[in-house]
Amino acid sequence: DVKVTQSSRYLVKRTGEKVFLECVQDMDHENMFWYRQDPGLGLRLIYFSYDVKMKEKGDIPEGYSVSREKKERFSLILESASTNQTSMYLCASTDLSTDTQYFGPGTRLTVL
Amino acid sequence: QKEVEQDPGPLSVPEGAIVSLNCTYSNSAFQYFMWYRQYSRKGPELLMYTYSSGNKEDGRFTAQVDKSSKYISLFIRDSQPSDSATYLCAMKDSGAGSYQLTFGKGTKLSVIP
Repeated sequence: DVKVTQSSRYLVKRTGEKVFLECVQDMDHENMFWYRQDPGLGLRLIYFSYDVKMKEKGDIPEGYSVSREKKERFSLILESASTNQTSMYLCASTDLSTDTQYFGPGTRLTVL
Repeated sequence: QKEVEQDPGPLSVPEGAIVSLNCTYSNSAFQYFMWYRQYSRKGPELLMYTYSSGNKEDGRFTAQVDKSSKYISLFIRDSQPSDSATYLCAMKDSGAGSYQLTFGKGTKLSVIP
């Protein structure tokens, strides 16, 4: 079974703090993704990575950066957290044989 | 027109009912079609995967793809309270270097005992 884990289920941070969200997958997948999910807006792609040290912007990259130093780990960084970044953050990795994405459990981030 | 349209619901049905969930799309290049189930405060989990047109059955779940109408469906037979969740459709084209899935916004389903 594919396993995608995220470092925290719930996180509360203050405006202006630097926030790190970590994601690890154990299936040697090349592609990894970060989404945020908000009521009424669905899943929105922030960034994705198709290889180590490679990254591509998604639909809403502003205010975020990513890091992929190892194949199994993909980090999302909020350089200076703002209240409008309060959201559910979901990490996923892709099985290229079927193009299906496997999601982690999500991190519910609240920025006060 | 959005690439993928999905009625957000909520949809409420009695236990044992047949449920039909649907998505329409505009991009004729989509070849891979998926349904995800997401329980409250959890990540989406893959439920069904279909390539191109046709039907696929897995237990109480049947996925249908009609590429001529750009329409996909998920049927749930003998629905159970444990099926209460949000169901997301997702699709992808087969282009080289195409990595992203396009998601519907999800339909919230409640199955009432």
